[in-house]
Amino acid sequence: AQSVTQLDSQVPVFEEAPVELRCNYSSSVSVYLFWYVQYPNQGLQLLLKYLSGSTLVKGINGFEAEFNKSQTSFHLRKPSVHISDTAEYFCALFSGGYNKLIFGAGTRLAVHP
Amino acid sequence: DTGVSQDPRHKITKRGQNVTFRCDPISEHNRLYWYRQTLGQGPEFLTYFQNEAQLEKSRLLSDRFSAERPKGSFSTLEIQRTEQGDSAMYLCASSSTDRGVTEAFFGQGTRLTVV
Repeated sequence: AQSVTQLDSQVPVFEEAPVELRCNYSSSVSVYLFWYVQYPNQGLQLLLKYLSGSTLVKGINGFEAEFNKSQTSFHLRKPSVHISDTAEYFCALFSGGYNKLIFGAGTRLAVHP
Repeated sequence: DTGVSQDPRHKITKRGQNVTFRCDPISEHNRLYWYRQTLGQGPEFLTYFQNEAQLEKSRLLSDRFSAERPKGSFSTLEIQRTEQGDSAMYLCASSSTDRGVTEAFFGQGTRLTVV
């Protein structure tokens, strides 16, 4: 079975501080990994994705993530957050054998002034 | 292209009523997915279509739920005899298999409240 675990349900942080949102996955086959952001009462917007190649991927809004196969992790980072980054963040995996995205429970990032 | 479009954005219905939601995917996308998201949770897979064929249904999709994609374009999700537990955000997504599925694009969702 495949699964995604987001290790923190909430992450409070001050504006301009760095942040890391943690994601671990479980799969017996190769996967693609994604981070999505969701603002209140909105759909999901793709931040970044790892398909293959370089393990450090850069996304929109200054976010980046590192794929670590040995640790089965795909943590999301941003060196300096803004108030506007306050949102729910979802890690997800896709495997061709399952033909669908499997999501973690989400991490609520709250940026305080 | 305006992306994935869902209608309505919000729906309030009384318990026991039937509701239908519509999703218009990105025009060249052959795959269409439905997900359900309850408060504080990640989206949960319900079903997906490749063109007009419904290829997989989750156990979450009880017999009160039915989804169609009659011409391989837009899709509808119907819930019959709604229950309070059906209250959730229903998300639609689409993707293309032309070069392998590498990304799913989501709509804004339909928020259902059953009172």
